Amino acid sequence: DTGVSQDPRHKITKRGQNVTFRCDPISEHNRLYWYRQTLGQGPEFLTYFQNEAQLEKSRLLSDRFSAERPKGSFSTLEIQRTEQGDSAMYLCASSRKREAFFGQGTRLTVV
Amino acid sequence: GIQVEQSPPDLILQEGANSTLRCNFSDSVNNLQWFHQNPWGQLINLFYIPSGTKQNGRLSATTVATERYSLLYISSSQTTDSGVYFCAVEGGSGNTGKLIFGQGTTLQVKP
Repeated sequence: DTGVSQDPRHKITKRGQNVTFRCDPISEHNRLYWYRQTLGQGPEFLTYFQNEAQLEKSRLLSDRFSAERPKGSFSTLEIQRTEQGDSAMYLCASSRKREAFFGQGTRLTVV
Repeated sequence: GIQVEQSPPDLILQEGANSTLRCNFSDSVNNLQWFHQNPWGQLINLFYIPSGTKQNGRLSATTVATERYSLLYISSSQTTDSGVYFCAVEGGSGNTGKLIFGQGTTLQVKP
């Protein structure tokens, strides 16, 4: 069990560019979650998958955001036409039952 | 939706002191977790404790579900305990594993 892995750890991008983050969950965890955390706040839920099906999306997830989990394994989160307000830590978590385990996060800075 | 409030927001201790962090929630829960966020941003699982009492070394936690609160106890604090502590819950009717986080308690342990 290697834990939840996220890549990259840090990303600096220019406003208007597209970025993609990857999350590899703990093997055999059928649920996968994306959260966003801004400075001084607790993480906020963005979306979740059960196997390959995306079952819930937060209102925080604008049309510029898209997430996939092909074949129910790893997941990607893409942000199109990034804005400065997208600067945040993006956290991925996975679970098999109720207890969630988090990855190290991807810190995005939009300049 | 369910509201989660943590107190105190900030706490400064001398090494060796004990502390109690509190998490109040506004509705019944079927999932409650305590996390420690390390300086690199990763959320480290401390306890999965929707009810009852658990202990792990110098840390222990108690959740009184009927009174809608949970407590995290840190005894003989060490400088490595510094960081942000989050309580996160899932409302009682949910079965998605989606967590709602409090704002966190920032702990600083001085040598």
